[in-house]
Amino acid sequence: GGIITQTPKFLIGQEGQKLTLKCQQNFNHDTMYWYRQDSGKGLRLIYYSITENDLQKGDLSEGYDASREKKSSFSLTVTSAQKNEMAVFLCASSGENTGQLYFGEGSKLTVL
Amino acid sequence: TQTVSQSDAHVTVFEGDSVELRCNYSYGGSIYLSWYIQHHGRGLQFLLKYYSGNPVVQGVNGFEAEFSKSDSSFHLRKASVHWSDSAVYFCAVSAHSAGNKLTFGIGTRVLVRP
Repeated sequence: GGIITQTPKFLIGQEGQKLTLKCQQNFNHDTMYWYRQDSGKGLRLIYYSITENDLQKGDLSEGYDASREKKSSFSLTVTSAQKNEMAVFLCASSGENTGQLYFGEGSKLTVL
Repeated sequence: TQTVSQSDAHVTVFEGDSVELRCNYSYGGSIYLSWYIQHHGRGLQFLLKYYSGNPVVQGVNGFEAEFSKSDSSFHLRKASVHWSDSAVYFCAVSAHSAGNKLTFGIGTRVLVRP
């Protein structure tokens, strides 16, 4: 089996600050994802990447940047943190076209 | 574009009861349908999925789901719940042509009372 590791688990920042979340996977999966989870709204896709150095925008990409410099890692940057961005950010990965994702434990963002 | 609807935001059951969580989707092509479970403070874990074949699929921990093309549904069931089944359950759909790009429902929170 494999594991997805998200760091940090809790991130506190100031309004307007640039903040970065990191994700590592050892499944050797090609595709990685960043989802945002807000209470009562389910999960919404921010960015995904189908291979190293590839980036695809999801439904919620505005205000975020992403980077996939290695197959095993995928980082997400909040370019200017806002109080309405307080949420849990979930990283996931998937192998071949199986309709199945593997998730990390999540990173909770708080903006002061 | 595919959409997913989970009509129940909260469900409360007693330990040993059966439970059914409802999921309806809209999409005209070939799709994957799946269910995930999220315990408090944790990530999502895969329960089961359907693509083709037998419309009733079995998952982990006694969960099963039934696909109905006529109803555009993929409801999740468990015959006898345990307190550890208290969690949020998410239904998801992905177009086969879109690979693993899933669209999730808003989730159903299940509370199992002793």
